[in-house]
Amino acid sequence: GQQLNQSPQSMFIQEGEDVSMNCTSSSIFNTWLWYKQEPGEGPVLLIALYKAGELTSNGRLTAQFGITRKDSFLNISASIPSDVGIYFCAGLGQRDTNAGKSTFGDGTTLTVKP
Amino acid sequence: DTGVSQNPRHKITKRGQNVTFRCDPISEHNRLYWYRQTLGQGPEFLTYFQNEAQLEKSRLLSDRFSAERPKGSFSTLEIQRTEQGDSAMYLCASSLGRGAGVAEKLFFGSGTQLSVL
Repeated sequence: GQQLNQSPQSMFIQEGEDVSMNCTSSSIFNTWLWYKQEPGEGPVLLIALYKAGELTSNGRLTAQFGITRKDSFLNISASIPSDVGIYFCAGLGQRDTNAGKSTFGDGTTLTVKP
Repeated sequence: DTGVSQNPRHKITKRGQNVTFRCDPISEHNRLYWYRQTLGQGPEFLTYFQNEAQLEKSRLLSDRFSAERPKGSFSTLEIQRTEQGDSAMYLCASSLGRGAGVAEKLFFGSGTQLSVL
């Protein structure tokens, strides 16, 4: 089946630093989604990307849909303590017709030191 | 708050017992999804409903698992004869499901954490 590889697995950064994480796949995806999950909660959608090369921002978050359609990137600028959580990428392949059937990566755990 | 509600939040059971979880989606949402999430991994799709119809089941959903959405509103997920490997967070999500397809936005509940002893 489809698999997504997220890196890094975890990050420990200082408040104010910028963060970059990425997600890669061996197969092509038509949609990339980025979610954040906080302890004891379900994932919350941050950004959705639908076209190769697309660059989309949501506040301090910026995500890009890779040109090859096999990767995506998420950047967080000027991190703050409330950015702490697990960031998941999720992708939809050519045969998937609704976002609920996304394949999720295993997440990047972000820790921000004040 | 009219978000997705899941009950119970935590369930501890002995191996071999049956357990049932409930999910109340956002009221106007037609689609409802169930996922399983284990520590260190992302959610894995189990099954989904369009109104009361169960449209798809993952191969992860063994015969011991059954899900229902009898009136197209709340849903239940039952696991019979639980095994230690069933220990996981079970997440529910809902969406409008009116043709948005890949663009539909999912709203997740806080999950039910199952521990099988």
